[in-house]
Order: sequence, then C-alpha cells, then structure tokens
Amino acid sequence: QSALAQPPSASGSPGQSVTISCTGTSSDVGGYNYVSWYQQYPGKGPKLLIYEVTQRPSGVPDRFSGSKSGNTASLTVSGLQAEDEANYYCSSYGGNNNFVIFGGGTKLTVL
Amino acid sequence: QLQLLESGPGLVKSSETLSLTCTVSGGSISSGNYYWAWIRQPPGKGLEWIASYHYSGNIFYNPSLKSRVTLSVDTSKNQFSLKLTSVTASDTAVYYCARPIVAAGFEYWGQGTLVTVSS
Repeated sequence: QSALAQPPSASGSPGQSVTISCTGTSSDVGGYNYVSWYQQYPGKGPKLLIYEVTQRPSGVPDRFSGSKSGNTASLTVSGLQAEDEANYYCSSYGGNNNFVIFGGGTKLTVL
Repeated sequence: QLQLLESGPGLVKSSETLSLTCTVSGGSISSGNYYWAWIRQPPGKGLEWIASYHYSGNIFYNPSLKSRVTLSVDTSKNQFSLKLTSVTASDTAVYYCARPIVAAGFEYWGQGTLVTVSS
C-alpha cells in the first residue's frame, strides 16, 4: 500500500496563504470524494480538519479549506497564524483493496 | 461525547504478539454506519492505517500488514481489539483507535498508546 504523496515541508508568513498538495491515483484520491485532512501537533493526536474533500467538522475555522483536481487534493490555510505551525496529513478512501491510505505528512512552518 | 481509550502492554518482545484493546464510551460499536479503526504512527513518522471494522461484520486490513493482523470485537463490552503477530522493531509506534465521520475521515481518536518492541 503506497502512501499518498505530500511535500515534506511548506512554509508561509503570518497572514499569507499556503497550499499543501496530496497526490494519489485514480484508485483513491481521483476515484472518490473521500479525502480528509488532519492537523497534528508534536506529541498530540491528529485532529480532523477536512473530510469529503471540502467539508469542515464543527469548530474548524474557515481559514482551512480543501479542494481536489484529478488525482491531487489540496489543503489551503488562509490568513496563516503562528498556531497553524504543525504537521498536516491527508487521507483517502481507496476502495476495498486499500480501504484507507494516508499521506506521508507535511510540516508547515510559519515564518 | 464519544470517547475511545486504548489499553495494552507498552512493551512487547520481538517475534511475539502485540495485543491492544479499544474501549468505547458514549456510543455503541454495534450501531451506525461507522468503520472503527486502528491506526499507528512510528516515532517521528507518519500515520499508517492498520484495519477497520463495521458492526455488520465487514473487516478490512492494510494489505501490507494483513498476514499478521487480526481485528476482533466484543460487543458486550463495547470493545474492539488488535493483534499483531511476529512483531519487530519496525512495529514500534503509537497505536490509535479511531472512528470516522465518513470514509477515511477520522473524527474521534483515542489518546494513543506507545508500544515499544524490544529485542
């Protein structure tokens, strides 16, 4: 089971926007609208930010948004804040053969 | 409020079997269209899905771990358990149990439990 491809790092200055990509295949990201994004601080558990490509759970700021084009999904963080510095992971449903696939993670640094 | 709590030994010897249990409170593992899951994270590395269970009896395993993993359920205790056989140092990780809001979107997570495989 190959992980979804994410850039290992991303950065931006406070107030700016940053986009993190998550690339899979037509069998996972491209085949279903079940892409999710998580935020994880060091030593803490993951927090769901986005599900079904664009949906935000209750309590997640609208500064976090998701999209998808073909086999690549994206997470955009707008109006960067210092507290957004964390690791971000994507996941996708991959059908019965690869039920859940995670990305390798992206470390977001707020400059 | 749904809560999940992992329990089990924090230290397992190489070649032996890792056994963990997830106890769920505030909701039933026998209802709802949810695939309850085990997910792990080696120190300093990313997340890896291990297995998922639905109360209908459907169980899905990560193909790369399938030969060593068994997921079982005790509905009377509202628990689901993980067994991973023939462990090696590469199985050292924080193990989480989780419940999704929808497919692959895990909204509820346990606190995680670190399992170290020793030689």
